[in-house]
Amino acid sequence: SAVISQKPSRDICQRGTSLTIQCQVDSQVTMMFWYRQQPGQSLTLIATANQGSEATYESGFVIDKFPISRPNLTFSTLTVSNMSPEDSSIYLCSVEGRARTEAFFGQGTRLTVV
Amino acid sequence: GQQLNQSPQSMFIQEGEDVSMNCTSSSIFNTWLWYKQDPGEGPVLLIALYKAGELTSNGRLTAQFGITRKDSFLNISASIPSDVGIYFCAGQEHNAGKSTFGDGTTLTVKP
Repeated sequence: SAVISQKPSRDICQRGTSLTIQCQVDSQVTMMFWYRQQPGQSLTLIATANQGSEATYESGFVIDKFPISRPNLTFSTLTVSNMSPEDSSIYLCSVEGRARTEAFFGQGTRLTVV
Repeated sequence: GQQLNQSPQSMFIQEGEDVSMNCTSSSIFNTWLWYKQDPGEGPVLLIALYKAGELTSNGRLTAQFGITRKDSFLNISASIPSDVGIYFCAGQEHNAGKSTFGDGTTLTVKP
């Protein structure tokens, strides 16, 4: 499986500010995804990060709030913009496996907004 | 969107006991995945299932892809303390890696 590194691993941020989360993979992958896991909850897909084009967002998530970059096949960023306490969650980067029917996750970024 | 119903929500068992948890969906999935998440970590893939009726083992873990493609179960035999964590099922409809997750089963193992 790919090795996925996320930065930062955790952060405490003031409301109204923005945080950019980085996801680095040790091999080229076609598909990269961003998930949110609210406290005590399951994982919800935010968007698919497309290389060279705009991300594809799921219902309930918009680009203005969660802008995503995907400059190449090993790297992506997710920005949480104009944060509020409701944005306090774990944000997880995910990539496809070699079989293209698996998905592997980074260790997550634990965000607390105060 | 699609929803997965995962049960039970939580389990408290004695070390050495067997565990069973399952997921059901109103929609068909082409792939079922089972993950374990430890505190402060991302989910770790345990088993991937690709064909209806498929039964796959990974050590003490066994999972099956339901014949109708709308359900899956995970069994853990002879549980040990390190099995503690949250187990998630996930289904993939078409796109590789784009998964719908169940709500999770929190497993506690008493020594």
